[in-house]
Amino acid sequence: GQQLNQSPQSMFIQEGEDVSMNCTSSSIFNTWLWYKQDPGEGPVLLIALYKAGELTSNGRLTAQFGITRKDSFLNISASIPSDVGIYFCAGQGYSGAGSYQLTFGKGTKLSVIP
Amino acid sequence: NAGVTQTPKFRILKIGQSMTLQCTQDMNHNYMYWYRQDPGMGLKLIYYSVGAGITDKGEVPNGYNVSRSTTEDFPLRLELAAPSQTSVYFCASSSRGQGGYTFGSGTRLTVV
Repeated sequence: GQQLNQSPQSMFIQEGEDVSMNCTSSSIFNTWLWYKQDPGEGPVLLIALYKAGELTSNGRLTAQFGITRKDSFLNISASIPSDVGIYFCAGQGYSGAGSYQLTFGKGTKLSVIP
Repeated sequence: NAGVTQTPKFRILKIGQSMTLQCTQDMNHNYMYWYRQDPGMGLKLIYYSVGAGITDKGEVPNGYNVSRSTTEDFPLRLELAAPSQTSVYFCASSSRGQGGYTFGSGTRLTVV
């Protein structure tokens, strides 16, 4: 199956610092998505990117769809304690018969030190 | 608005037992998915459905079965539970296939 390389695996940062994480793939995707997962909960969509080169913001979050369609990054500015969680990237491609499938990275575990 | 509801939240099974994980969505979404999540790993697709009566295998379908008799429900069946099926299972749905999915809060299954 397709593989996504997400880095870093984990991060410890001071409250107020900026955070950057990224995903790379050997395959081209039509869509890149970023999710956040809190403990004991399912992933929640943060940002969806649909076009190569697209840069999209959602509050303190900014994500970009790489020009090659094989990578994406997520930045979080001025981190706060509630940013703690696991962040997943996901690439989406068309798999035929009207179906799209998501391939997930292994996640970046973010810890924020107050 | 309930979104995607999964039951049960937790379950312990003995090896060889069977069970059904329930998933219901109230958003009239055509597309539904089952994923499993193992520690330190991303989510792996087990089965998916593009509409009532249509199901297809994902990346890791062995040991599981699904059915989709209605738009709302997409149960996942484990027939002969094995320790390798210890995992957290997530159901998700989407309206148009492409774009973000709405996930349930998961079922944590332990097979002993």
